Amino acid sequence: QVQLQESGPGLVKPSETLSLTCTVSGGSINSNYWSWIRQPPGKGLEWIGYIFYSGSAHYNPSLESRLTISVDTSKKQFSLKLSSVTAADTAVYYCAKKTGTYFDYWGQGTLVIVSS
Amino acid sequence: QSALTQPPSASESPGQSVTISCTGTSSDVGGYNSVSWYQHHPGKAPRLMIYEVNKRPSGVPDRFSGSKSGNTASLTVSGLQAEDEADYYCTSYAGSNNFVVFGEGTRLTVL
Repeated sequence: QVQLQESGPGLVKPSETLSLTCTVSGGSINSNYWSWIRQPPGKGLEWIGYIFYSGSAHYNPSLESRLTISVDTSKKQFSLKLSSVTAADTAVYYCAKKTGTYFDYWGQGTLVIVSS
Repeated sequence: QSALTQPPSASESPGQSVTISCTGTSSDVGGYNSVSWYQHHPGKAPRLMIYEVNKRPSGVPDRFSGSKSGNTASLTVSGLQAEDEADYYCTSYAGSNNFVVFGEGTRLTVL
């Protein structure tokens, strides 16, 4: 059973970079796709992007200019960096395993607040 | 890319059935057999309940079923149980650029 755990700062200042890491356990990070999804307070879910274990990534066009997703297979981790954040980036951020066009395993999510 | 349209809430009594709709366009729901549904109890990890319109992952009760007609997909929960009370989100593949679009979510209450 694959398990995912998000980690990172819960508070980020406006204009700074939001950085999160997802640690994979109970399964291999290799040969799989890994994704980030977020949910602003009171709103629906938004797909952020995904990465293949080889490092090939695909981003939501609306976030692409500020976004970097990377993977470290030796640590069984993948990461999210979102630059120049504003209050609109305040959300619960989830990491998930992507299979085809769906997400079969998710982390519990971590709340990131953008505030000075 | 606009979010898929779901009713904000649904409710039904234990043992009864409820259907949650998910309406998109021909560019997402109507264009692909790639609708999935997720159950989310607040504070917990979302759980995949249905993928590719009507397939159930191992461990998901057969009380949960999915279907699609045109631009609208549906999730039906039969024999409602108290633990089914949760938020439910649909998603659909929306092409290689946008990948997936999510529904706005439906809060299911078991009366």
